[in-house]
Amino acid sequence: QQQVKQSPQSLIVQKGGISIINCAYENTAFDYFPWYQQFPGKGPALLIAIRPDVSEKKEGRFTISFNKSAKQFSLHIMDSQPGDSATYFCAASSGTASKLTFGTGTRLQVTL
Amino acid sequence: NAGVTQTPKFQVLKTGQSMTLQCAQDMNHNSMYWYRQDPGMGLRLIYYSASEGTTDKGEVPNGYNVSRLNKREFSLRLESAAPSQTSVYFCASSESWYEQYFGPGTRLTVT
Repeated sequence: QQQVKQSPQSLIVQKGGISIINCAYENTAFDYFPWYQQFPGKGPALLIAIRPDVSEKKEGRFTISFNKSAKQFSLHIMDSQPGDSATYFCAASSGTASKLTFGTGTRLQVTL
Repeated sequence: NAGVTQTPKFQVLKTGQSMTLQCAQDMNHNSMYWYRQDPGMGLRLIYYSASEGTTDKGEVPNGYNVSRLNKREFSLRLESAAPSQTSVYFCASSESWYEQYFGPGTRLTVT
């Protein structure tokens, strides 16, 4: 039972372009939505996160857009750089529980 | 601070063999987790420990056991390894709901 659906599975973007990764969730109790970034051979690391009381959060070139009614959230990477090439995972959790449910991941490749 | 450390980095087992994956964190976090990562499946929670002395099953606990040895250490044991357990295993820790810190992973192959 996959509670967080992530798309696309892979993405190729030219340097300077916008990368967009989408996630949809089913559990309306989820109230914390982080994105993790993973480089080859490394463990995932928190990139940016949002709570459902706001519709957008921006940190540098990374923005999360959140649509509570549609139960969807997305990661936008502006001015994508080759150094952004990595696998990105969306995730969700509820209440004070620190268990995360992860999406299946998106492998992003930024070309020159 | 080393953060979250995992040993070993790589391991090859034969079907039926047993082994223990070790994890330690030096951030004084209460919660610790074990995940497995498989292509196209994302990260799936095997077991977690919300605090020292407690452990709970995650999404895919079958074939695994865990021990929260103390606040720092959380081990994962495969009693009788199967090829389906070939995966990359990650340990993580957190203080609260906010952020989980992951170790570098253990790549396990079961033949």
